[in-house]
Amino acid sequence: NAGVTQTPKFRILKIGQSMTLQCTQDMNHNYMYWYRQDPGMGLKLIYYSVGAGITDKGEVPNGYNVSRSTTEDFPLRLELAAPSQTSVYFCASSLDANTGELFFGEGSRLTVL
Amino acid sequence: ELKVEQNPLFLSMQEGKNYTIYCNYSTTSDRLYWYRQDPGKSLESLFVLLSNGAVKQEGRLMASLDTKARLSTLHITAAVHDLSATYFCAVDLWAISGGYNKLIFGAGTRLAVHP
Repeated sequence: NAGVTQTPKFRILKIGQSMTLQCTQDMNHNYMYWYRQDPGMGLKLIYYSVGAGITDKGEVPNGYNVSRSTTEDFPLRLELAAPSQTSVYFCASSLDANTGELFFGEGSRLTVL
Repeated sequence: ELKVEQNPLFLSMQEGKNYTIYCNYSTTSDRLYWYRQDPGKSLESLFVLLSNGAVKQEGRLMASLDTKARLSTLHITAAVHDLSATYFCAVDLWAISGGYNKLIFGAGTRLAVHP
């Protein structure tokens, strides 16, 4: 089973460039999440989605956008990359809020220079 | 603002010894999760604790939740090298989030088990 798949795994951006991190899950999960993890820290929620067509901001949404046109896909868009967005980004999914179990992708390491 | 504090942040253990990692949080919640992360890897779910008094065990790890004390513990019994990793607790504010799992993570405990 593929689970949660993220691409790319590594990327280097120049300041001001834009890019999209892709996230796909094949578990038919309704809930999907984007987190960032800074060095030596826990994860912080950027955006989440409770189903196709429904997204909302998390703790640290500034500088990012998301869309959810299908159940499977939840891309994260970085506009005008800044050094502060250097981080590891994790996508996660869960079947519903009651189960409490999130499944995480392998992560995407982004460096902005 | 909810604070989730783990201690210790770094733990060097000898194989065969026991130790406990603590996770304190500052607001009411009856849901807490423990994750393991190996260097450069994703997070692996270890325990899902969904009520006061919940206790779960898997191998050499046991987790418990005391919602009144706002405290969860992860106890390691007879540590082995394979347990070396970073362990995160995460408090779930789903009851007040409006319908999703709103996880607030601790900073993580980096565990190194040596001979």
